[in-house]
Amino acid sequence: DGGITQSPKYLFRKEGQNVTLSCEQNLNHDAMYWYRQDPGQGLRLIYYSQIVNDFQKGDIAEGYSVSREKKESFPLTVTSAQKNPTAFYLCASSIAGAKNIQYFGAGTRLSVL
Amino acid sequence: GQQVMQIPQYQHVQEGEDFTTYCNSSTTLSNIQWYKQRPGGHPVFLIQLVKSGEVKKQKRLTFQFGEAKKNSSLHITATQTTDVGTYFCARNQTGANNLFFGTGTRLTVIP
Repeated sequence: DGGITQSPKYLFRKEGQNVTLSCEQNLNHDAMYWYRQDPGQGLRLIYYSQIVNDFQKGDIAEGYSVSREKKESFPLTVTSAQKNPTAFYLCASSIAGAKNIQYFGAGTRLSVL
Repeated sequence: GQQVMQIPQYQHVQEGEDFTTYCNSSTTLSNIQWYKQRPGGHPVFLIQLVKSGEVKKQKRLTFQFGEAKKNSSLHITATQTTDVGTYFCARNQTGANNLFFGTGTRLTVIP
């Protein structure tokens, strides 16, 4: 089955702790994205990557970090500097180019203990 | 700037009634995309509109792109409970390969 897999589905973070959200895709897409969604809100872009070993900050990158060492993987770390991390995190991927249709994973719900 | 405004934010309809959500931009769009997110789910791509004045249909859903390419609409005829969810429009960022999403319209269908 081709698609995007996010894990875990639910994650709890203790104060001062860094946590990493996994995103893997087997669609052979060049571009990958991380969004944050708060209850009843739209999607805000955290980071995106157009190609391996390169990534760009989105609108709300503070308190987050990413890496793109492999085409298939784009993990997101929520650092202790992110003071309000409780949200629904969505990973997406797309073929790089003008159409830019994005395919989303099932998401990770992060809560603070 | 590059934001897209969506209205209404919420809409409650009786099953069988029609529903429309609107997406507006202050600048000309190269294209517009629409996504649907079911409650508790993730956004799923519905359609992309590219041409000025374009109209596309998917069963009971009709998508329109304005003549000036600054607005778009999604119209659902005779809503069903399966239409429940949040509908987002999205535009490409100028010169980049990422999207700006609208704030979404949450549709509730009352049986």
